[in-house]
Order: sequence, then structure tokens, then C-alpha cells
Amino acid sequence: EAGVTQFPSHSVIEKGQTVTLRCDPISGHDNLYWYRRVMGKEIKFLLHFVKESKQDESGMPNNRFLAERTGGTYSTLKVQPAELEDSGVYFCASSQRLWGGDYEQYFGPGTRLTVT
Amino acid sequence: GNSVTQMEGPVTLSEEAFLTINCTYTATGYPSLFWYVQYPGEGLQLLLKATKADDKGSNKGFEATYRKETTSFHLEKGSVQVSDSAVYFCASGSGGSNYKLTFGKGTLLTVNP
Repeated sequence: EAGVTQFPSHSVIEKGQTVTLRCDPISGHDNLYWYRRVMGKEIKFLLHFVKESKQDESGMPNNRFLAERTGGTYSTLKVQPAELEDSGVYFCASSQRLWGGDYEQYFGPGTRLTVT
Repeated sequence: GNSVTQMEGPVTLSEEAFLTINCTYTATGYPSLFWYVQYPGEGLQLLLKATKADDKGSNKGFEATYRKETTSFHLEKGSVQVSDSAVYFCASGSGGSNYKLTFGKGTLLTVNP
């Protein structure tokens, strides 16, 4: 079974440009999450989808970030316009929907975004 | 909100040495606690978890015990191998089913032969 995949693995863009990151979760996983790690800091939660619905977007830093999950399959995270402080590694994770209890989040390898 | 503080390292050990990576947390309520590991070029993998006080999570020779009285979840392994070289992240969960993970900064472990 394929794991969580992310594309691209690395993106270098100039300040003011737009970048779109893609995440393909494990097939059948209703829950999808985005996290990011800015250099030297902790990995921070950005948002959580259940199927195509945003359940929690409390970690999204500002309105330059837009996440979508049309059809409840893959997700995109668009940064427009990108700023220098957006540089970091963006992780996607997915999990099965289990009623109650904890469930494991499976992470992708991340997309390293460099804004120059 | 929740926060997690872990030993930042880097930590360099010789093969078969004993490993401890300290982790403490602050949280409202009773979060689940996790250790994730990231091997070079790969995504984070769940190493072990504990869902309530005094639970011990274990996997691949690694152990961590959920200590509510000291708000700690220290990672230990009795004899490390070169293949254990990786970055280790301590995390706590919040939200229904603990879906929202709060991570520590990560600890880079290098094990030399």
C-alpha cells in the first residue's frame, strides 16, 4: 500500500510568487492534516480535513494560505503571495476515520519550500 | 494551549550505549503522548504512544512512560544501533481523538559504530 506522498519535494520561489503544494493521502483515509516546520522551530499544526470539509483550520497563519481538498481525495496548499517567513518544510499526514479513541497519523516526506 | 519541550541535542552515542531523550509537556486535560521518528529522506513515523497516566509505550526496543506527576514522557533505549540514527520528536495530542499534534523541536541522534 502506498504511503502519503507529497509533491514537489522541494520548491524554490521568489517572494511575491505563488506556490501550490500537493498531498496524496493513503487511499481510504478520510482525515488529512497539514503541518509545517519553520527553520529551528517546532512542527506546527495548520489544519485538518475530514473528507472535503475543513474541521479545524486554527493553525493557518494568515489568509495568504489556502487549503483545499476537492472530492475528499488529494489536497493542495496554496501560498499566495509567498513571503520569506513562509520558508520551511510542509508536512502532510492522513489517518483513517475511527470512531473514538486515538488513531495514528501517517506522514509524508514533506515539501521543502524556500522563498528567496 | 499545549506545549512540548524536549532535549534538543544533537546527541551522539556509540553503538550499544544507553539512550535517554527527555520530554516534558504542558496541557489542559489528559493528552495522549507520542514519539515520532524521522529517518533521513523519509516522513515522520509513529514510534510509540501512551494514552493515559502510567501507560508505557514500547516499540523496537524503545520505551517511554507517561508520568502525569512530572508531566514527562522520556524516551529510552538500552542499547542503540547505528540504524537508530534519526531525528526523534515528542508530541502531545489535543482535540477530539487527539488529532491535533503539538511537537517538540526534535532531537537529532547519531549513533557511531
